[in-house]
Amino acid sequence: KQEVTQIPAALSVPEGENLVLNCSFTDSAIYNLQWFRQDPGKGLTSLLLIQSSQREQTSGRLNASLDKSSGRSTLYIAASQPGDSATYLCAVSQTGYALNFGKGTSLLVTP
Amino acid sequence: ETGVTQTPRHLVMGMTNKKSLKCEQHLGHNAMYWYKQSAKKPLELMFVYSLEERVENNSVPSRFSPECPNSSHLFLHLHTLQPEDSALYLCASSPYSGANVLTFGAGSRLTVL
Repeated sequence: KQEVTQIPAALSVPEGENLVLNCSFTDSAIYNLQWFRQDPGKGLTSLLLIQSSQREQTSGRLNASLDKSSGRSTLYIAASQPGDSATYLCAVSQTGYALNFGKGTSLLVTP
Repeated sequence: ETGVTQTPRHLVMGMTNKKSLKCEQHLGHNAMYWYKQSAKKPLELMFVYSLEERVENNSVPSRFSPECPNSSHLFLHLHTLQPEDSALYLCASSPYSGANVLTFGAGSRLTVL
């Protein structure tokens, strides 16, 4: 069974810092990997989707990388802002319909 | 709103009550999903519907009963729940089943007393 682990569980940084969130998975036979953002009391918003054949995806200040052979992905956030404060979830897709989620990293960016 | 609307946003019920959660999507998608998010645990897929047919039931207890009357609406009927069923229930939709770009609703926070 695919296990997805996110480290750290929580992170607090001052505004303006660059930061990296980590995601690891146990089975490298994946279709794709996604990073989501979840604000308190809200649903999930998809940030980036990386297909298994890709190495990275970028959107604005966000960059996600994928190393399928080692079972790892990172989400890089440049020049962090207080509005980036949220929980970030990593999910991998294999066969079938399910996305396998990690428990998330709770990020707090302080002014 | 994200295009996927869930009601109610908060629900408190006793173990002997019967209640329902509702999900509605206005995106023209053909697949809808129920996920459960418990504290300190990863999101768990519960049910998948494709064109109103259930295509996945992820070993969910029978006290949870889904219903998909059309491709825009999804219900989760609840009866004789347990306190450990307290969680955030998230509905999502996608253009087709197996398409992994999901649009999520804001969730229904359920508390079972």
